Amino acid sequence: DAGVIQSPRHEVTEMGQEVTLRCKPISGHDYLFWYRQTMMRGLELLIYFNNNVPIDDSGMPEDRFSAKMPNASFSTLKIQPSEPRDSAVYFCASSQGQGKGHFGDGTRLSIL
Amino acid sequence: KQEVTQIPAALSVPEGENLVLNCSFTDSAIYNLQWFRQDPGKGLTSLLLIQSSQREQTSGRLNASLDKSSGRSTLYIAASQPGDSATYLCAVSQGNKLVFGAGTILRVKS
Repeated sequence: DAGVIQSPRHEVTEMGQEVTLRCKPISGHDYLFWYRQTMMRGLELLIYFNNNVPIDDSGMPEDRFSAKMPNASFSTLKIQPSEPRDSAVYFCASSQGQGKGHFGDGTRLSIL
Repeated sequence: KQEVTQIPAALSVPEGENLVLNCSFTDSAIYNLQWFRQDPGKGLTSLLLIQSSQREQTSGRLNASLDKSSGRSTLYIAASQPGDSATYLCAVSQGNKLVFGAGTILRVKS
């Protein structure tokens, strides 16, 4: 089992640029979650999908954030345009039903 | 709105000591509760999951209890080791969403 795979591991870019984060969930898992972790706010749920369908995006901070899941093995989180306050570690997680959550190693995003 | 609080925020203990981490939540209508471990620069690893109908779960030196009515959970670590040093996070499941506490940073000194 390869686990949840995220790319890139690190991203440094300038304010205003488009950022795309990628996630490959564990095969067979029907739920996929995107989280953001900062020192100030801890871990926050941004959006989650069930069977590739977005279920709850109430945690997405602004319209600059969007997420897609075109198939069961791939999801993206996009920020356009990026701002310095978007700097954080972004985690993708997957689960089978409401079982144990499996997290990727995260993408550390720095917006200059 | 569900709020999850973890006490203490940080803990430093000598190797071999037994220790307890605490988690409290404001809304008892939860589906389950999970304890996670996070190492620096890494993602979260699920340690134990307790269903709302259960009282406790055990895995090796770890034991987690759940008192849903009082909104409390504890994670007991027996005979702590330096390798246990990490941040421990508690999360409650409501629907399909996890709400996390801020975590307890544990340092076990050799």
